[in-house]
Amino acid sequence: GAGVSQTPSNKVTEKGKYVELRCDPISGHTALYWYRQSLGQGPEFLIYFQGTGAADDSGLPNDRFFAVRPEGSVSTLKIQRTERGDSAVYLCASSLDTLSTDTQYFGPGTRLTVL
Amino acid sequence: TQLLEQSPQFLSIQEGENLTVYCNSSSVFSSLQWYRQEPGEGPVLLVTVVTGGEVKKLKRLTFQFGDARKDSSLHITAAQPGDTGLYLCAGARNSGYALNFGKGTSLLVTP
Repeated sequence: GAGVSQTPSNKVTEKGKYVELRCDPISGHTALYWYRQSLGQGPEFLIYFQGTGAADDSGLPNDRFFAVRPEGSVSTLKIQRTERGDSAVYLCASSLDTLSTDTQYFGPGTRLTVL
Repeated sequence: TQLLEQSPQFLSIQEGENLTVYCNSSSVFSSLQWYRQEPGEGPVLLVTVVTGGEVKKLKRLTFQFGDARKDSSLHITAAQPGDTGLYLCAGARNSGYALNFGKGTSLLVTP
């Protein structure tokens, strides 16, 4: 079956612009996660959804970052007034549920470059 | 905050050698996972360990979870060029959701 897909694969934008990053999880997976991976680092948790609601957004760095999952499937990560420090690979993952042993399946990521 | 410390950060070895990668923390985890990540791709799960002292084998890879569930190791026997990649450990502190990742160990195996 299809895995987690993310679009676009690459996004180049200018400082101050608004960007949207999309994630299509595996069908039937109730949990969806966003992570950010900077160069030379491991992924850093941003937010996770259980169904349509954001169950934990404690990893969002500031109020310029926002994410939605209106129908409990596709999710969009939105970044306002982008800054150069936002440049990173944004990874999305989904899992069947939220047990600690549930496998999180990752998408290939969106590489965001802010000039 | 990086709760998990991985070592070494970089490792370059020749085909056929053995190696061990370590993942340490002062925190207790309900489970710990090892991932491998290729350039331009997302991490792919290799194994999940749950019980303190647990040892799991996956072909030439052996994973161990510390008795106190604070640390883990990954041992590769007779490394092959196909093992090249970034190895990440990740711990789940609560019942599910957010994974705390280490910085990763970048492994290069040359023929």
